[in-house]
Amino acid sequence: DGGITQSPKYLFRKEGQNVTLSCEQNLNHDAMYWYRQDPGQGLRLIYYSQIVNDFQKGDIAEGYSVSREKKESFPLTVTSAQKNPTAFYLCATHFTGTENYGYTFGSGTRLTVV
Amino acid sequence: AQSVSQHNHHVILSEAASLELGCNYSYGGTVNLFWYVQYPGQHLQLLLKYFSGDPLVKGIKGFEAEFIKSKFSFNLRKPSVQWSDTAEYFCAVTSPGTYKYIFGTGTRLKVLA
Repeated sequence: DGGITQSPKYLFRKEGQNVTLSCEQNLNHDAMYWYRQDPGQGLRLIYYSQIVNDFQKGDIAEGYSVSREKKESFPLTVTSAQKNPTAFYLCATHFTGTENYGYTFGSGTRLTVV
Repeated sequence: AQSVSQHNHHVILSEAASLELGCNYSYGGTVNLFWYVQYPGQHLQLLLKYFSGDPLVKGIKGFEAEFIKSKFSFNLRKPSVQWSDTAEYFCAVTSPGTYKYIFGTGTRLKVLA
């Protein structure tokens, strides 16, 4: 089955801890994205990567870091510098180079700071 | 900078009522437009998309949307909603070739049986 796997589904973080959210895809999509979803604010772009070993900051990158060492994987680290990390995090992928625009979304990770 | 406005934050309808959800964007150039739906407990799914051509686009589950360039709008419609349409709906815009989407804040639709 082709798709995006985000893990874990639920994650609890203590104040001051870094945590890493996993996003793996077997769709052979070039581009990968991390969005944060908060009630009433829609989806806001954190980071994105269009090719391996390259990524760009989105609109709310502060307190987050990413890597793109493999085409299939785009992990997101929520650092202790992120002041309000409790949110729903969505990974999305996209096949570039064609007119077939449209993201494929993962099922998300809900992060809660305790 | 591009932005997307969804003015209806919460909508409650009875089954069989007609639906129209507003979406306005701010960008003067060529755009690609999307509507996504998020059913309770599920991931976001593409409902429909507009790239060019006929401004009235039809999507899955009986949804359609009309692109009105002069009004910078891409409203979502369905003639008769069902209880199973209860979900959150997101409008998104991107410029051709950029791939970065700008999402609206979403509209929560609740359909009463």
